[in-house]
Amino acid sequence: EPEVTQTPSHQVTQMGQEVILRCVPISNHLYFYWYRQILGQKVEFLVSFYNNEISEKSEIFDDQFSVERPDGSNFTLKIRSTKLEDSAMYFCASSAQRDNSPLHFGNGTRLTVT
Amino acid sequence: GENVEQHPSTLSVQEGDSAVIKCTYSDSASNYFPWYKQELGKGPQLIIDIRSNVGEKKDQRIAVTLNKTAKHFSLHITETQPEDSAVYFCAASLSGGGADGLTFGKGTHLIIQP
Repeated sequence: EPEVTQTPSHQVTQMGQEVILRCVPISNHLYFYWYRQILGQKVEFLVSFYNNEISEKSEIFDDQFSVERPDGSNFTLKIRSTKLEDSAMYFCASSAQRDNSPLHFGNGTRLTVT
Repeated sequence: GENVEQHPSTLSVQEGDSAVIKCTYSDSASNYFPWYKQELGKGPQLIIDIRSNVGEKKDQRIAVTLNKTAKHFSLHITETQPEDSAVYFCAASLSGGGADGLTFGKGTHLIIQP
């Protein structure tokens, strides 16, 4: 069964540094998403992306965050200047369509900001 | 915005017994309600979903019920097995597929006692 793959599985960075989290969505999917899960808390929506632009974003997704689809297969989340509170699991997801199409999640990248 | 409450936070049942996890949502416009299973070190995996035009849906040992009037939905797992042990998340969405962002509950840690 096709999978969403994320790299790296664990990223450690110092406060103030930039990080890029990478995702390869399922190949025939058109909608892409980033979610995060702070340890012990609920999974939270960050952003959805379609046709090379942001479709929706949450209050969490401020100017420090950006997303990009640099080529036909990768989907990236960049955090410009990391803060301690950015430490979390970041999940990428994709879906075939906007509506009536379930989200498929990757296994996540654990980001630790020190 | 939407708010999803999930109970209980931990549920321990004997192998072979049934497990029920309950969620309530706040936005009556929500029309898509998926359930995800998250095993240790992995991303959420969709196990079943229900749309607002349906009251109940079943897939082998798993069933979901939806009461739109009361704005609550439940996951039922019958004949529980050790491999059912995981964290289960309910979620709600306005768009029918989550493109505008799934709102998750806080999760239920289901423990199957042998």
